Amino acid sequence: GAVVSQHPSRVICKSGTSVKIECRSLDFQATTMFWYRQFPKQSLMLMATSNEGSKATYEQGVEKDKFLINHASLTLSTLTVTSAHPEDSSFYICSASQTDTQYFGPGTRLTVL
Amino acid sequence: RKEVEQDPGPFNVPEGATVAFNCTYSNSASQSFFWYRQDCRKEPKLLMSVYSSGNEDGRFTAQLNRASQYISLLIRDSKLSDSATYLCVVNGINTDKLIFGTGTRLQVFP
Repeated sequence: GAVVSQHPSRVICKSGTSVKIECRSLDFQATTMFWYRQFPKQSLMLMATSNEGSKATYEQGVEKDKFLINHASLTLSTLTVTSAHPEDSSFYICSASQTDTQYFGPGTRLTVL
Repeated sequence: RKEVEQDPGPFNVPEGATVAFNCTYSNSASQSFFWYRQDCRKEPKLLMSVYSSGNEDGRFTAQLNRASQYISLLIRDSKLSDSATYLCVVNGINTDKLIFGTGTRLQVFP
Protein backbone atom coordinates (compact mmCIF):
# COMPACT_ATOMS: atom_id res chain seq x y z
CA GLY A 1 0.00 0.00 0.00
CA ALA A 2 0.91 3.66 -0.18
CA VAL A 3 3.23 5.14 2.44
CA VAL A 4 2.55 8.18 4.56
CA SER A 5 5.11 9.50 7.00
CA GLN A 6 4.79 11.88 9.91
CA HIS A 7 7.41 13.84 11.76
CA PRO A 8 8.10 14.04 14.62
CA SER A 9 6.77 10.80 16.06
CA ARG A 10 6.84 12.20 19.55
CA VAL A 11 7.14 15.69 20.97
CA ILE A 12 7.13 17.11 24.46
CA CYS A 13 6.81 20.86 24.81
CA LYS A 14 6.10 23.53 27.36
CA SER A 15 2.73 25.17 27.63
CA GLY A 16 2.48 28.23 25.38
CA THR A 17 4.85 27.02 22.70
CA SER A 18 3.93 26.08 19.15
CA VAL A 19 4.51 22.68 17.62
CA LYS A 20 4.64 21.82 13.93
CA ILE A 21 3.82 18.33 12.67
CA GLU A 22 4.60 17.27 9.12
CA CYS A 23 2.71 14.74 7.06
CA ARG A 24 4.17 13.44 3.80
CA SER A 25 2.88 11.08 1.16
CA LEU A 26 6.06 9.31 0.10
CA ASP A 27 5.14 7.49 -3.08
CA PHE A 28 2.05 9.24 -4.35
CA GLN A 29 0.57 12.69 -4.69
CA ALA A 30 -2.32 13.65 -2.48
CA THR A 31 -4.48 16.66 -3.20
CA THR A 32 -6.34 15.95 0.01
CA MET A 33 -4.96 15.03 3.39
CA PHE A 34 -6.78 14.70 6.67
CA TRP A 35 -5.79 15.49 10.23
CA TYR A 36 -7.21 13.50 13.13
CA ARG A 37 -6.80 13.58 16.87
CA GLN A 38 -7.24 10.65 19.21
CA PHE A 39 -7.49 10.92 22.98
CA PRO A 40 -6.90 7.81 25.12
CA LYS A 41 -9.62 5.18 24.78
CA GLN A 42 -11.51 7.33 22.30
CA SER A 43 -12.07 7.14 18.58
CA LEU A 44 -10.20 9.12 15.98
CA MET A 45 -11.85 12.48 15.49
CA LEU A 46 -11.42 14.34 12.23
CA MET A 47 -10.08 17.82 12.86
CA ALA A 48 -9.73 19.17 9.36
CA THR A 49 -9.40 18.39 5.69
CA SER A 50 -6.26 19.79 4.13
CA ASN A 51 -6.54 20.80 0.48
CA GLU A 52 -3.47 21.42 -1.65
CA GLY A 53 -3.32 25.02 -2.76
CA SER A 54 -6.35 26.19 -0.81
CA LYS A 55 -7.56 26.72 2.72
CA ALA A 56 -8.23 23.80 4.99
CA THR A 57 -11.76 22.87 5.95
CA TYR A 58 -12.18 22.54 9.69
CA GLU A 59 -14.68 20.40 11.53
CA GLN A 60 -17.13 21.99 13.89
CA GLY A 61 -15.53 22.88 17.20
CA VAL A 62 -11.95 22.91 15.90
CA GLU A 63 -10.32 26.34 16.15
CA LYS A 64 -8.66 27.20 12.88
CA ASP A 65 -6.52 29.89 14.47
CA LYS A 66 -5.15 27.40 16.96
CA PHE A 67 -4.58 24.50 14.58
CA LEU A 68 -2.93 26.00 11.52
CA ILE A 69 -2.84 23.78 8.46
CA ASN A 70 -0.73 24.35 5.39
CA HIS A 71 -0.80 22.10 2.34
CA ALA A 72 1.80 23.71 0.13
CA SER A 73 2.56 20.77 -2.13
CA LEU A 74 0.98 17.55 -3.30
CA THR A 75 3.10 15.53 -0.90
CA LEU A 76 3.26 17.66 2.23
CA SER A 77 0.75 19.00 4.74
CA THR A 78 1.69 20.56 8.06
CA LEU A 79 -0.31 21.05 11.23
CA THR A 80 0.88 23.67 13.69
CA VAL A 81 -0.55 23.62 17.18
CA THR A 82 -0.17 27.20 18.35
CA SER A 83 0.15 28.19 21.99
CA ALA A 84 -0.20 24.59 23.07
CA HIS A 85 -1.78 23.77 26.40
CA PRO A 86 -1.89 20.51 28.37
CA GLU A 87 -5.38 19.76 27.06
CA ASP A 88 -3.91 19.66 23.54
CA SER A 89 -1.88 16.61 24.56
CA SER A 90 -3.07 13.88 22.24
CA PHE A 91 -2.18 11.52 19.40
CA TYR A 92 -2.31 13.42 16.10
CA ILE A 93 -2.61 11.32 12.95
CA CYS A 94 -2.70 12.38 9.34
CA SER A 95 -3.96 10.46 6.36
CA ALA A 96 -3.80 10.85 2.61
CA SER A 97 -6.18 9.50 0.03
CA GLN A 98 -5.21 7.40 -2.93
CA THR A 99 -8.13 6.20 -5.05
CA ASP A 100 -10.76 5.13 -2.50
CA THR A 101 -8.44 4.31 0.36
CA GLN A 102 -7.03 6.49 3.09
CA TYR A 103 -3.52 5.69 4.24
CA PHE A 104 -2.52 6.82 7.68
CA GLY A 105 0.74 8.20 8.93
CA PRO A 106 2.27 6.63 12.05
CA GLY A 107 1.00 9.45 14.25
CA THR A 108 2.60 12.08 16.45
CA ARG A 109 2.24 11.86 20.19
CA LEU A 110 2.14 15.36 21.65
CA THR A 111 2.63 15.97 25.34
CA VAL A 112 2.27 19.52 26.60
CA LEU A 113 3.69 20.13 30.05
CA ARG B 1 -26.65 9.09 19.03
CA LYS B 2 -23.11 8.48 17.78
CA GLU B 3 -22.67 8.24 14.02
CA VAL B 4 -20.86 4.92 14.31
CA GLU B 5 -21.41 2.71 17.35
CA GLN B 6 -19.46 -0.29 18.44
CA ASP B 7 -19.30 -2.44 21.54
CA PRO B 8 -15.97 -1.40 23.12
CA GLY B 9 -15.33 -4.88 24.53
CA PRO B 10 -12.87 -6.17 25.47
CA PHE B 11 -13.48 -9.52 23.89
CA ASN B 12 -11.17 -12.06 25.50
CA VAL B 13 -11.02 -15.25 23.44
CA PRO B 14 -8.70 -18.28 23.29
CA GLU B 15 -6.58 -19.02 20.27
CA GLY B 16 -8.56 -20.79 17.60
CA ALA B 17 -11.88 -19.26 18.61
CA THR B 18 -14.28 -17.53 16.27
CA VAL B 19 -15.28 -14.03 17.27
CA ALA B 20 -17.73 -11.56 15.76
CA PHE B 21 -17.90 -7.79 16.08
CA ASN B 22 -20.87 -5.65 15.24
CA CYS B 23 -21.26 -2.02 14.32
CA THR B 24 -24.19 0.23 13.55
CA TYR B 25 -24.18 3.53 11.70
CA SER B 26 -26.72 6.30 11.80
CA ASN B 27 -26.53 7.88 8.35
CA SER B 28 -28.51 5.80 5.90
CA ALA B 29 -26.84 7.68 3.04
CA SER B 30 -23.38 6.36 3.93
CA GLN B 31 -21.75 4.75 0.96
CA SER B 32 -18.47 3.15 1.93
CA PHE B 33 -17.66 0.93 4.85
CA PHE B 34 -14.42 -0.39 6.24
CA TRP B 35 -12.84 -2.28 9.05
CA TYR B 36 -9.52 -0.92 10.28
CA ARG B 37 -7.23 -2.47 12.83
CA GLN B 38 -5.36 -0.34 15.36
CA ASP B 39 -2.60 -1.67 17.57
CA CYS B 40 -1.83 0.06 20.83
CA ARG B 41 -0.28 3.51 20.27
CA LYS B 42 -0.13 2.97 16.52
CA GLU B 43 -1.98 4.31 13.52
CA PRO B 44 -5.04 2.52 12.09
CA LYS B 45 -4.42 0.14 9.22
CA LEU B 46 -7.00 -0.93 6.70
CA LEU B 47 -8.12 -4.49 7.32
CA MET B 48 -10.78 -4.72 4.66
CA SER B 49 -13.48 -2.83 2.85
CA VAL B 50 -17.04 -4.04 3.35
CA TYR B 51 -19.26 -4.70 0.36
CA SER B 52 -23.00 -5.21 0.19
CA SER B 53 -22.59 -8.77 -1.00
CA GLY B 54 -20.28 -9.59 1.89
CA ASN B 55 -16.63 -10.35 1.42
CA GLU B 56 -14.00 -12.63 2.79
CA ASP B 57 -10.25 -12.30 3.15
CA GLY B 58 -8.68 -15.39 4.61
CA ARG B 59 -9.93 -15.79 8.16
CA PHE B 60 -11.84 -12.50 8.05
CA THR B 61 -15.39 -12.08 6.77
CA ALA B 62 -17.23 -8.78 6.59
CA GLN B 63 -20.95 -8.31 6.10
CA LEU B 64 -23.08 -5.24 5.46
CA ASN B 65 -26.81 -4.93 6.04
CA ARG B 66 -27.94 -1.62 4.60
CA ALA B 67 -31.55 -2.03 5.69
CA SER B 68 -30.50 -2.39 9.32
CA GLN B 69 -27.47 -0.08 8.97
CA TYR B 70 -25.34 -2.78 10.45
CA ILE B 71 -21.83 -4.01 9.69
CA SER B 72 -20.12 -7.08 11.05
CA LEU B 73 -16.67 -8.62 11.13
CA LEU B 74 -16.09 -12.30 11.77
CA ILE B 75 -12.65 -13.63 12.65
CA ARG B 76 -12.16 -17.37 12.46
CA ASP B 77 -9.35 -19.38 14.02
CA SER B 78 -8.13 -16.43 16.11
CA LYS B 79 -4.38 -15.93 16.43
CA LEU B 80 -2.50 -14.19 19.21
CA SER B 81 -1.46 -11.61 16.63
CA ASP B 82 -5.11 -10.70 16.05
CA SER B 83 -5.11 -8.93 19.43
CA ALA B 84 -5.85 -5.29 18.62
CA THR B 85 -8.66 -2.76 18.46
CA TYR B 86 -10.95 -3.13 15.47
CA LEU B 87 -12.43 0.10 14.16
CA CYS B 88 -15.65 0.27 12.20
CA VAL B 89 -15.38 3.13 9.71
CA VAL B 90 -17.94 4.76 7.47
CA ASN B 91 -17.86 7.58 4.98
CA GLY B 92 -20.62 9.63 3.47
CA ILE B 93 -21.90 10.88 0.18
CA ASN B 94 -19.42 12.58 -2.11
CA THR B 95 -16.82 12.90 0.57
CA ASP B 96 -13.55 11.30 1.53
CA LYS B 97 -14.22 11.98 5.20
CA LEU B 98 -14.10 8.92 7.39
CA ILE B 99 -16.12 8.55 10.57
CA PHE B 100 -14.65 6.17 13.09
CA GLY B 101 -16.31 4.10 15.74
CA THR B 102 -14.60 3.96 19.11
CA GLY B 103 -13.35 0.49 18.33
CA THR B 104 -13.77 -2.97 19.78
CA ARG B 105 -10.82 -4.37 21.65
CA LEU B 106 -9.89 -8.00 21.05
CA GLN B 107 -7.51 -9.93 23.26
CA VAL B 108 -6.59 -13.44 22.13
CA PHE B 109 -5.00 -15.57 24.81
CA PRO B 110 -3.00 -18.83 24.49
